[in-house]
Amino acid sequence: EAQVTQNPRYLITVTGKKLTVTCSQNMNHEYMSWYRQDPGLGLRQIYYSMNVEVTDKGDVPEGYKVSRKEKRNFPLILESPSPNQTSLYFCASSFRDRAAYGYTFGSGTRLTVV
Amino acid sequence: QKEVEQNSGPLSVPEGAIASLNCTYSDRGSQSFFWYRQYSGKSPELIMSIYSNGDKEDGRFTAQLNKASQYVSLLIRDSQPSDSATYLCAVNRGNQFYFGTGTSLTVIP
Repeated sequence: EAQVTQNPRYLITVTGKKLTVTCSQNMNHEYMSWYRQDPGLGLRQIYYSMNVEVTDKGDVPEGYKVSRKEKRNFPLILESPSPNQTSLYFCASSFRDRAAYGYTFGSGTRLTVV
Repeated sequence: QKEVEQNSGPLSVPEGAIASLNCTYSDRGSQSFFWYRQYSGKSPELIMSIYSNGDKEDGRFTAQLNKASQYVSLLIRDSQPSDSATYLCAVNRGNQFYFGTGTSLTVIP
C-alpha cells in the first residue's frame, strides 16, 4: 500500500529533551515536507526537501532540524523542544511534478512538550 | 497579508444540497491549486487539483479557478453527512505549498 508512515503517533516529552519524529514513504517521491498544524493558524511548512541531501527552510523552521540521507526517509529533529512546539505534525510527500499530484500526508504526530 | 484565506465557517447545509466553499490567494505567481478534506483527528486528503482557469469536475466535486480574481472555489453537489469535515485550500508557488486555515462543513441529515 502506498503510504507515508510517521512515528510516533503521540509523544509527550519534557522541555529540552531531544527527540526525533520519523517519516518514511514508499512511493519513490522526490519531494518531502514537514508541517505543523495549530488551531487558527492552519498548516505551516517547517522544512522541505526536493531530493536526497537537498533541504530548505519553510515558513517556521526555528527550533527544528531535518536530514534527507535516503530518498524514502525524512526525519524531523527537535534538539531542545519547548512548550511552543506543542502541536500536531504532519509529514507529506509528492512527486516533483507537484501540480499534477499534490501531497500524500502521513497520519500525524501529536506532540506535547511540558 | 495571508497567502491563502478561507472563511472558517462553520458552514451548514442540508443533505442533498450544494455546498460552496471559497478561497482567495494573495500572490499572482501561484501556480497550482488544491482542495484537501480533513476529518477530525485525521490527516488531510487530496480531493481536487486545478491549475487552469475554469471548472474541473470529478464526481460530485467541482473546483473553479479564476486567476484574475485570485479566487478558488469548491462545489459539492448532493452533499452527504459523510462530507462533514474541514476543507483546506492550498496553493503552490515555487517549491512551497501554502494552506488556508480551513472551512468547517457540516451536512445535516
